[in-house]
Amino acid sequence: EVQLVESGGGLVQPGGSLRLSCAASGFTFSSYNINWVRQAPGKGLEWVSYISRSSSTIYYADSVKGRFTISRDNAKNSLYLQMNSLRAEDTAVYYCAREDGYNPGDIWGQGTMVTVSS
Amino acid sequence: QSVLTQPPSASGTPGQRVTISCSGSSSNIGSNYVYWYQQLPGTAPKLLISRNNQRPSGVPDRFSGSKSGTSASLAISGLRSEDEADYYCAAWDDSLSGYVFGTGTKVTVL
Repeated sequence: EVQLVESGGGLVQPGGSLRLSCAASGFTFSSYNINWVRQAPGKGLEWVSYISRSSSTIYYADSVKGRFTISRDNAKNSLYLQMNSLRAEDTAVYYCAREDGYNPGDIWGQGTMVTVSS
Repeated sequence: QSVLTQPPSASGTPGQRVTISCSGSSSNIGSNYVYWYQQLPGTAPKLLISRNNQRPSGVPDRFSGSKSGTSASLAISGLRSEDEADYYCAAWDDSLSGYVFGTGTKVTVL
């Protein structure tokens, strides 16, 4: 079965750090670009970051630039999001979403919840 | 902050046709493909329309997409109760070098 499974979410204090993971299975992970997308409670979708198949191209939303770092390990079929200097407004469900170059988000994970609060 | 504008809600009775608009600019919809996602309550989004008007495998032909200039629309014909969900448009934005999503539209089947 083709799937993405996020993990690593939780409660963290403002200014703290968290590392999210996204484990891929059922497809050739190294053949796909991946995006992180988040959704604050009761709010809409917000794109966070993109990484290409070989990690050669990376993009970030302005709201997280300089604080978040996206990376991947194709040998481990895994994607990561290192989140530093977390703020209350980063509270959201974080999804990883596969992209084949034509279809961004053809497969999504179930999401992992990040809560930034003191 | 959403760059693409959608109506907050839309509704119809079973069997009716509902249309959702998505307004953007020359840097996003005007120069790139539009995608539509369906998010059922409590679940992850699902790709509904790709590259303006292409339906991924498994998506019913009741769903159709179109684009003109800096706007796009999603039409749902033969509305069914299971279509109650939030719908989002999205496009790559050349100025921001990232994807932008619409504000989202909640579809209610009366």
